[in-house]
Amino acid sequence: EAQVTQNPRYLITVTGKKLTVTCSQNMNHEYMSWYRQDPGLGLRQIYYSMNVEVTDKGDVPEGYKVSRKEKRNFPLILESPSPNQTSLYFCASSLKGITRVGYTFGSGTRLTVV
Amino acid sequence: ELKVEQNPLFLSMQEGKNYTIYCNYSTTSDRLYWYRQDPGKSLESLFVLLSNGAVKQEGRLMASLDTKARLSTLHITAAVHDLSATYFCAVESMKTSYDKVIFGPGTSLSVIP
Repeated sequence: EAQVTQNPRYLITVTGKKLTVTCSQNMNHEYMSWYRQDPGLGLRQIYYSMNVEVTDKGDVPEGYKVSRKEKRNFPLILESPSPNQTSLYFCASSLKGITRVGYTFGSGTRLTVV
Repeated sequence: ELKVEQNPLFLSMQEGKNYTIYCNYSTTSDRLYWYRQDPGKSLESLFVLLSNGAVKQEGRLMASLDTKARLSTLHITAAVHDLSATYFCAVESMKTSYDKVIFGPGTSLSVIP
């Protein structure tokens, strides 16, 4: 089944404790992206990647890191989480550029930083 | 800067009624998407609209695109409870930033008996 797999689904952590949210897709998509969803703010892009070793900042990159060492994986790293990073996070993948017909989204990761 | 607005943000409608959700965007668009999100769930792709005048229909939902007015509509016909969800439009403009997709704030739809 074609899918984007995120882990974990739920995570409660303490301020300052490094964490990684994993994202993997099995559709051979070039493009992958991370979004955060907050009430009243919709989805805001954190980082995106157009291919292996090619990443770029979205609209709200502060406090996050990403890497794209393999085409299928695009982990989101919070080096020192803070309470304002409490949010619902989605990983998404798609074909690139003019061939894109929409994103496939992961199931989401609900992160709480206390 | 590409901005995307939706209205209404909240919509409560009776079963059997028709209604339209509007999506306005600020710069020229190469393509426009509609997504659905059920409470506590992920987003599901509904439509992609690629050109001026494009119309797509699936069941009780019909989406259209007017690139000159920078407007897309999502029309709901004879609403049923199963359509209760949040609907997002998202706009992609390669003129402003390659591969950048901006989402609207979402319209939370509640269909009541």
